Parts: sequence; structure tokens; C-alpha cells
Amino acid sequence: EAQVTQNPRYLITVTGKKLTVTCSQNMNHEYMSWYRQDPGLGLRQIYYSMNVEVTDKGDVPEGYKVSRKEKRNFPLILESPSPNQTSLYFCASRPTRTGGGKLFFGSGTQLSVL
Amino acid sequence: AQSVAQPEDQVNVAEGNPLTVKCTYSVSGNPYLFWYVQYPNRGLQFLLKYITGDNLVKGSYGFEAEFNKSQTSFHLKKPSALVSDSALYFCAVFLNRDDKIIFGKGTRLHILP
Repeated sequence: EAQVTQNPRYLITVTGKKLTVTCSQNMNHEYMSWYRQDPGLGLRQIYYSMNVEVTDKGDVPEGYKVSRKEKRNFPLILESPSPNQTSLYFCASRPTRTGGGKLFFGSGTQLSVL
Repeated sequence: AQSVAQPEDQVNVAEGNPLTVKCTYSVSGNPYLFWYVQYPNRGLQFLLKYITGDNLVKGSYGFEAEFNKSQTSFHLKKPSALVSDSALYFCAVFLNRDDKIIFGKGTRLHILP
């Protein structure tokens, strides 16, 4: 089944403790992206990647890192999480030359930073 | 600045009545237009899209959307609402030239039994 898989679904951590949220897609998509969803603010893009070894900042990149060493994986890294990074995170992917921009989303990761 | 507006944070509709969720956009060029739906504890799912052609686009779960170029709108509609349609709906535009997607802030749809 074609899908975007995020792990974990729920994560509670403490301020300053490094964490990684994994994202993997099995559709051979070139483009992958991370979003955070906050009440009243909708979806905001954190980072995106047009292909392997190519990453770019989105609208709210501060406090986050990403890497794209393989086409299928696009992990989101919080080196020193803070309470303002408590949010619902989504990974998404799409092809770049076909599909007309249609995104495929993971099920989300609810992160709480205490 | 390029933007997508969903003017209503929440829409309440009685089951069986028609529903409309509004979306307007302000972008240059001819964008591709999308609607996504987010059910509780789930990721966003594609509902429908408009690229070109007939202004009325049909999508999943009986939803349709009407593209109006002069009003730069892409309102989501359904003739008869179901309680199971209760969810968060996002409008989005894809800027083909920039290869960029812009989302609206979402509209929560409540279908009342």
C-alpha cells in the first residue's frame, strides 16, 4: 500500500532532550516536507526537500533540522526541544514532475515538550 | 503576498442539508487548487483538485468544488451533509512555476444530527 509512515504517533519529552521523528514513504517521491499544525495557525511548513541531499527552509525552520540521505526517508530532528515546539507534526511527500502538486500525508506525530 | 483565505473558522450544518466551505485565493498566474480533509487523529487526505477545464470538480465522499476565476474562489460543496463529514477542511493552492503549495488555515465543519 502506498503510504507515508511517521513514527512515533505520540511523544512526550522534556526541554533540551534531543529527539528525532522519522518519516518514510514508499512511493519513490522526490519531494518531501515537514509541517506543524497549531490551532488557529493552520499548517506551517518547517523544511522541505526536492530530492536526495537537497533540503531547504520553509516558513518556520528555527529549532529544527532535517536530512535527506535516502530518497524514502526524511527525519525531523529537534536538537534541543522547547515547549513552544509542542505541536502536531506532519510529514508529506509528492512527485515533482507528475501529480500536479497533490500531497500524501503521514498520520501525524503529536509532540509535547514539558 | 500570495495567500489562501478560509474566512470561516467553523461551519455548522444540519445533517441532510447542503454544505459550503469557502475558500478564496490571491496568487499570481493560474494555480492548481486543492481541498484536503483531516479526520480526528488522522493525517490530511486529498479530496479533489482543479487544474483546468470544467469549473465544477467532483471528488471523494460526494464532495464537489466550484472554481470561479473572476472571484478567485474555490468553494467546497456537498448537496446533503452526513454526520461523518464532520472534520477539518483545508484549501490549498499549488503554484506550478514556483513548485510551492500554500494552505489556508482550515475550516472545522460540524454536521449536527
